[in-house]
Amino acid sequence: KAGVTQTPRYLIKTRGQQVTLSCSPISGHRSVSWYQQTPGQGLQFLFEYFSETQRNKGNFPGRFSGRQFSNSRSEMNVSTLELGDSALYLCASSWEGLAPGELFFGEGSRLTVL
Amino acid sequence: SQQGEEDPQALSIQEGENATMNCSYKTSINNLQWYRQNSGRGLVHLILIRSNEREKHSGRLRVTLDTSKKSSSLLITASRAADTASYFCATDATNFGNEKLTFGTGTRLTIIP
Repeated sequence: KAGVTQTPRYLIKTRGQQVTLSCSPISGHRSVSWYQQTPGQGLQFLFEYFSETQRNKGNFPGRFSGRQFSNSRSEMNVSTLELGDSALYLCASSWEGLAPGELFFGEGSRLTVL
Repeated sequence: SQQGEEDPQALSIQEGENATMNCSYKTSINNLQWYRQNSGRGLVHLILIRSNEREKHSGRLRVTLDTSKKSSSLLITASRAADTASYFCATDATNFGNEKLTFGTGTRLTIIP
């Protein structure tokens, strides 16, 4: 069974640009969560999608958005990039319902904003 | 904001020794999980302990949970060089639905061969 796939793995953008990251969950998993990891703030929850609906949202500005498609694949978008958005963006999937169980993580997309 | 705080932030031990790291959290939880992250990679789930459990084992891992103290510990016995990684606890607060996992600050473990 294939694991969680995130693309692209690495990308470099400049301030003001926007970026879209993609996540393909494990087959059968309906929940996809996104996390931002930085040395200073650690792992911060961005949002979670379940069956194409955003079920949870973290404390990030509106520049951070996401969506989930009918095949459970998810994308997140960051508009008007700032230097502080440089981070490792991790996607995780699970099949659980309301109570989160084990999360299966992808390898992450490392974004550098210049 | 972080729900969990790991202690210590960094730990270096000799191969073969046991490693213990602790996690404290703030609110009531449904369960607590531990994850490992090798440098710059994704996280890997290690073990889940439910709020009504006090201890759980998985191979060389032993996890304890004390809900009265809002704390958990992860013990890795007979450490190996491959155990070098960062370890995170993750909790889901009892929010009557729509719980999400919140990760702690992590412990960076270095095993010296």
